[in-house]
Amino acid sequence: AQKITQTQPGMFVQEKEAVTLDCTYDTSDPSYGLFWYKQPSSGEMIFLIYQGSYDQQNATEGRYSLNFQKARKSANLVISASQLGDSAMYFCAMRGDSGGYQKVTFGTGTKLQVIP
Amino acid sequence: DTGVSQNPRHKITKRGQNVTFRCDPISEHNRLYWYRQTLGQGPEFLTYFQNEAQLEKSRLLSDRFSAERPKGSFSTLEIQRTEQGDSAMYLCASSSQGARHEQYFGPGTRLTVT
Repeated sequence: AQKITQTQPGMFVQEKEAVTLDCTYDTSDPSYGLFWYKQPSSGEMIFLIYQGSYDQQNATEGRYSLNFQKARKSANLVISASQLGDSAMYFCAMRGDSGGYQKVTFGTGTKLQVIP
Repeated sequence: DTGVSQNPRHKITKRGQNVTFRCDPISEHNRLYWYRQTLGQGPEFLTYFQNEAQLEKSRLLSDRFSAERPKGSFSTLEIQRTEQGDSAMYLCASSSQGARHEQYFGPGTRLTVT
């Protein structure tokens, strides 16, 4: 079974500051993928960043980076230089690679509000 | 634009009626997923297609729910005899066969059952 835990229901960050959104996971699959998605108030889920379980380096995509600590089973999202447009819900998700279907499990999300 | 599209965007129906939603995936994606999302929660997996084959179905999907993907292109999700508990956002996503399998989502269909 897969489980994603996001312990921060809401976060505030000052514009231009960095913020870290926490995510821990649990799986018995030896191979898996970790994702972060952004969901603005409009409702559409936007893919941000991916980390494979065997990737040696932490993933980065522009202002987004993923702090992957495999032994701790954590995959925190770091947003640098926050912008007002970053205000949204953020979901951590995991894909397990055992069996024929790679099921994706989502966390409950963190609501980020960027303060001017 | 070649993103995932969903229709309708909003649907209000009376309890007991049937509803059908449509999803058009990104054209080169062979995998298609349906999720349900309620307020304050992350998306919950409903079902998955690879091409036209429905390969996985969640226990959340009661007998009142059925999904199809004829010819491996667009997909439909039908809910029969709707109940108030079916009120939610229904999200469709698609992915390619690449190593990452990241899913790209449509804007969703918001269903309200009165």
